[in-house]
Amino acid sequence: GENVEQHPSTLSVQEGDSAVIKCTYSDSASNYFPWYKQELGKRPQLIIDIRSNVGEKKDQRIAVTLNKTAKHFSLHITETQPEDSAVYFCAASPYYGNNRLAFGKGNQVVVIP
Amino acid sequence: EAQVTQNPRYLITVTGKKLTVTCSQNMNHEYMSWYRQDPGLGLRQIYYSMNVEVTDKGDVPEGYKVSRKEKRNFPLILESPSPNQTSLYFCASSTDYEQYFGPGTRLTVT
Repeated sequence: GENVEQHPSTLSVQEGDSAVIKCTYSDSASNYFPWYKQELGKRPQLIIDIRSNVGEKKDQRIAVTLNKTAKHFSLHITETQPEDSAVYFCAASPYYGNNRLAFGKGNQVVVIP
Repeated sequence: EAQVTQNPRYLITVTGKKLTVTCSQNMNHEYMSWYRQDPGLGLRQIYYSMNVEVTDKGDVPEGYKVSRKEKRNFPLILESPSPNQTSLYFCASSTDYEQYFGPGTRLTVT
């Protein structure tokens, strides 16, 4: 099955700086790549996603890039704020749709004020 | 309000005592899933369902059962819980594009 790995496991950034989290996946058939944010004690929530026919997608301060050749995708957060502190999960799905997601182990992002 | 609910939110039980965690969604989603979250292991899918009476194993199905008799409900059953099933459990319902997670159930098996 699909195997998703995230790097680094923990990332500390100064407020206002950028944060980048990278994920790699194993199944070349994967075609859907969402990112979920989980704040302490809360449920995961979708923040951005990308499909395999798109190389980059942006939504305000967050963006995701996808390199299908290298089988990796990255989350970019610019102008980080304290409320960006959370665990971020990447995921990949080799099936059309969202029902069979393989999640990475998560990255703890700490934004230092 | 669109939501996924789970009950109970917290449960402490003993080894071998059957339990059920309920999950309900009001968004008319066809897809529903159960995940467990453990420190350092992320979210791992236990079972998923693509519609009423259609379920399949995820990555870690051992020791769990599910049923989908109604579209809105997807209960998780632990027939004989063991300490290694101590975890945080999330139910989710989904469209093709987004998983909506429930609030989580923290289960401790002693």
